[in-house]
Amino acid sequence: DTAVSQTPKYLVTQMGNDKSIKCEQNLGHDTMYWYKQDSKKFLKIMFSYNNKELIINETVPNRFSPKSPDKAHLNLHINSLELGDSAVYFCASSPGLAGGPSTDTQYFGPGTRLTVL
Amino acid sequence: QKEVEQDPGPLSVPEGAIVSLNCTYSNSAFQYFMWYRQYSRKGPELLMYTYSSGNKEDGRFTAQVDKSSKYISLFIRDSQPSDSATYLCAMSSGGGADGLTFGKGTHLIIQP
Repeated sequence: DTAVSQTPKYLVTQMGNDKSIKCEQNLGHDTMYWYKQDSKKFLKIMFSYNNKELIINETVPNRFSPKSPDKAHLNLHINSLELGDSAVYFCASSPGLAGGPSTDTQYFGPGTRLTVL
Repeated sequence: QKEVEQDPGPLSVPEGAIVSLNCTYSNSAFQYFMWYRQYSRKGPELLMYTYSSGNKEDGRFTAQVDKSSKYISLFIRDSQPSDSATYLCAMSSGGGADGLTFGKGTHLIIQP
């Protein structure tokens, strides 16, 4: 039944490590996103992928790399983790590029709470 | 100036009251406007979606968009304790693959 799922739900790791967060959607959507929600609860877009192509790459450090093996999955790899990477990371999906009403609505996963020690 | 401004609250009202939540924005290219509800330690949940200016009603919720003033509102009638959450406004210029630009969210508390 879950529309957008993420694993793991919690991730605690040491500075300098490399980690991955997985995301899957079963909505048949064309576009998937990663957002970061910081300690002040501010949600900010990091990436979006449409049909395996990176559409948006905001000013995110290149230690972060999205990987999409297929339309239903968008994973986030983070290298050399830093203290400032601690946040909640949300995956989302939307119907895609057709434009117009209803295609910009995004559906969010439950989030992955990353803590870097 | 931030692209989207939203009062973080907290906003505390008694059960049954009408709640008014607002956002202002600066980017005139925005034409799709959304309200999301986020419970503690959960993902944002889409509540309302509006295209361009106008009103939209869904049950106890009404969304209003005034593009000339760059101002959007969400009204909640007959508020319930279960409405207690953080409400995030979000907007985009369209195109299908745009990320959303969010406000910081308003923390709403409905007192039983």
